[in-house]
Formats: sequence, C-alpha cells, structure tokens
Amino acid sequence: GAVVSQHPSWVICKSGTSVKIECRSLDFQATTMFWYRQFPKQSLMLMATSNEGSKATYEQGVEKDKFLINHASLTLSTLTVTSAHPEDSSFYICSARALAATSTDTQYFGPGTRLTVL
Amino acid sequence: SQQGEEDPQALSIQEGENATMNCSYKTSINNLQWYRQNSGRGLVHLILIRSNEREKHSGRLRVTLDTSKKSSSLLITASRAADTASYFCATGLSGTYKYIFGTGTRLKVLA
Repeated sequence: GAVVSQHPSWVICKSGTSVKIECRSLDFQATTMFWYRQFPKQSLMLMATSNEGSKATYEQGVEKDKFLINHASLTLSTLTVTSAHPEDSSFYICSARALAATSTDTQYFGPGTRLTVL
Repeated sequence: SQQGEEDPQALSIQEGENATMNCSYKTSINNLQWYRQNSGRGLVHLILIRSNEREKHSGRLRVTLDTSKKSSSLLITASRAADTASYFCATGLSGTYKYIFGTGTRLKVLA
C-alpha cells in the first residue's frame, strides 16, 4: 500500500526559531498534499493544500507567512513554521493524494510530527 | 466553520457492548471516511463510504450514510479494550480533494 512518511516524528525547539517538517510519499507520486494541525484532545484542522510546482492554498485564518509550504517535487512537501512560539506547539499531519487517482478518495496520511516550542 | 460535528464527544462502555458514533456535516460531499487515532499517534483509516452508498460493513464495523440528513454513523460491534481510541469522520468535499474532519468521539472500552 501507499506510504507517506514525515520527518522528524517529533521536534523540540526554542521560541523564535524556525522548524521544517517534511512529508514524503514513498512509493507513489503526489500532485497534491495537505497539511493539518491538531491540538491536544482536539480534531484535525486543515491548514493548507500544497500543489506540486505552484503556491499553496491556505485555509481561512492560517498565516501563510507563518507557515511556509513548499511542494518542490511530486514526492516531497515541506512545512516550515517560522519564528515558532509556544502556541504553535501542536501535532502536524500531512496527507498525500496519488497522481494516478481517478477519484478523490485516494489520499494517504503520514504518521504526524509533534512540535513542542519552549 | 466547515468542521463536522460528532457525538457523543466521549463514550465509555463495557467490553462486548456495541459503540455508536454519529457525524453530521454541512456541505455536499463525494465520500465520507472514518479514522481511528490512538493517543498521540497517527491516523488509522477504517472505512470509506461514497455519497451514493447508504451502508458499508468491514469486520466489526458498520457505517451508514444519509446524505439527505448530512449525517453518518459508525457502529463498532462487540467492542474490545483495544478499540479504545478517538474516532473521527472526515468528509471529502464535492468539487475538491479536501477532507474536513469532525470533532471526534473519544471511546473508552472497559475490560
């Protein structure tokens, strides 16, 4: 089956630093990847849609300058949390839609990255 | 907010009992999926039901979908302690590839 990996699986950083999270589709090509954020005991909130070779589309209320998304290849999307603050501490999950998908339901989720900002 | 609502928010049952979770959503969908998440871990895909389907089964899972009421239910029969987790519905929005997650139900199965 299709596998999506995320790196790192967890990261702790100091307030004010930037953190990059990678999302990779390991055995398929993904034209579209999605980034979600999940706070403790809450649901996943869609942050942005990442399309290969073009700018990401952000959901309402998500700061694009704060959460930089780059989808440089068909197997890699990165999310950079710039000038991270404690309120950015969260579980970040990506999902990837397969290039060959003929329907909208072929989407695979990564295992998530836990970010803690001190 | 487009986010779907799930109820109950939390459910505690005895092993062997059935657990039912409900999901309501607001917009037109292509399909609806149910996921399980153990504490602090990633998502595990359980089942997908398309908008033209009314019911699907997978092992001890039964999912129904009523598009006229914009609602779905997940039934877990003969629950086990290992079923303890949070369960989320995710609706695939028509005309997009986006999925919007529900608020989740925290299920606790007591041995």
